Amino acid sequence: AQKVTQAQTEISVVEKEDVTLDCVYETRDTTYYLFWYKQPPSGELVFLIRRNSFDEQNEISGRYSWNFQKSTSSFNFTITASQVVDSAVYFCALSENSGNTPLVFGKGTRLSVIA
Amino acid sequence: DAGVIQSPRHEVTEMGQEVTLRCKPISGHNSLFWYRQTMMRGLELLIYFNNNVPIDDSGMPEDRFSAKMPNASFSTLKIQPSEPRDSAVYFCASSLTGTGSGEQYFGPGTRLTVT
Repeated sequence: AQKVTQAQTEISVVEKEDVTLDCVYETRDTTYYLFWYKQPPSGELVFLIRRNSFDEQNEISGRYSWNFQKSTSSFNFTITASQVVDSAVYFCALSENSGNTPLVFGKGTRLSVIA
Repeated sequence: DAGVIQSPRHEVTEMGQEVTLRCKPISGHNSLFWYRQTMMRGLELLIYFNNNVPIDDSGMPEDRFSAKMPNASFSTLKIQPSEPRDSAVYFCASSLTGTGSGEQYFGPGTRLTVT
């Protein structure tokens, strides 16, 4: 069975601080895909990134970076120099095989960035 | 391009009434997913379709729930009769299979309140 654990329920930081959101996953599949989605207060789910299990390269996109480590089954997300607009709930998710199968979501981490 | 379109955005109904939620996937996408989000259970899959064919409906809570996808451009999720515990946000998502990408793009959701 697949499982995604986001141990941090809520995080609060002051603007311009760096923050890391943790994600640990469980799967028996050798091929799988990992995702991060953002859910701002308006409620929509916004796709941020996809990673497949064969690509352990870290990725950076502006102030966002992702650290994928198969050895620890983790896919952590760091926001550098956080801004108030980063306040949202962030979900880590996993899908099996081809990646075109349902997502299994973690419970989410609510990030509050205080000005 | 338009994203995933869902209607209505908000629905308030009385217990026992029939509720129909609608979804138009992104043009060209051939996988469609219905998810439900609640505080208690988080984001969970209800049912998904590939090429208009239901693949896995094991997440559908009970016989009161049904979903159809009569063509590539339209899907419905029906609850009959509705109960207060069905109150949740229902998301529709679509993706393009065959590319190996697997990103699911979500609609804005339908917030259902059953009184």
